[in-house]
Amino acid sequence: AQTVTQSQPEMSVQEAETVTLSCTYDTSENNYYLFWYKQPPSRQMILVIRQEAYKQQNATENRFSVNFQKAAKSFSLKISDSQLGDTAMYFCAFMGTLSMDSNYQLIWGAGTKLIIKP
Amino acid sequence: GAGVSQSPSNKVTEKGKDVELRCDPISGHTALYWYRQRLGQGLEFLIYFQGNSAPDKSGLPSDRFSAERTGESVSTLTIQRTQQEDSAVYLCASSRVSGGLNEQFFGPGTRLTVL
Repeated sequence: AQTVTQSQPEMSVQEAETVTLSCTYDTSENNYYLFWYKQPPSRQMILVIRQEAYKQQNATENRFSVNFQKAAKSFSLKISDSQLGDTAMYFCAFMGTLSMDSNYQLIWGAGTKLIIKP
Repeated sequence: GAGVSQSPSNKVTEKGKDVELRCDPISGHTALYWYRQRLGQGLEFLIYFQGNSAPDKSGLPSDRFSAERTGESVSTLTIQRTQQEDSAVYLCASSRVSGGLNEQFFGPGTRLTVL
């Protein structure tokens, strides 16, 4: 069974600093998708960035980028020039392509609470 | 706006009562998902609807949980004889079609508290 592990329950950095959130996963599949979602106090889950496993190039979205290490099954999120509005829970999620035969289920990590301090 | 909406935003109920949670997906989205999020934890998959296909109910934790969806519109999640361990945020998401490349858009959730 696939699992997703986020080993950092909480992190805190000063505004404008760079922060990296870690995520590891376990799967026997070769092709899959990985996601980082942000959940601010409003509870609204927002997609931050996604990575397709067959693409070697790391995905980037403005200040957000990932370090995808397929062999190590690692998918970390780097937030550059952090802003107060980045304060939220961050969840790493996995979707295997085999699951597309059934329910396209996302497997979620437990989340990392990120606090950006002024 | 045109996002996923859920109602009620918060629900407090007494143990043993039934509750019904509602999700309005984005118009045109054929796939709809229900998740449960316990305090301080990630999301647990509950049920998935795709168009007129039979729903995938593999994540429902007990027979007290059920969900319906009419066509590609509103979905309701019903919890019968609520227990304190049912207290959680229930999130609904929809996507245009199923698939990893198709982003799941989430609603704001319903916070259920069972006393």
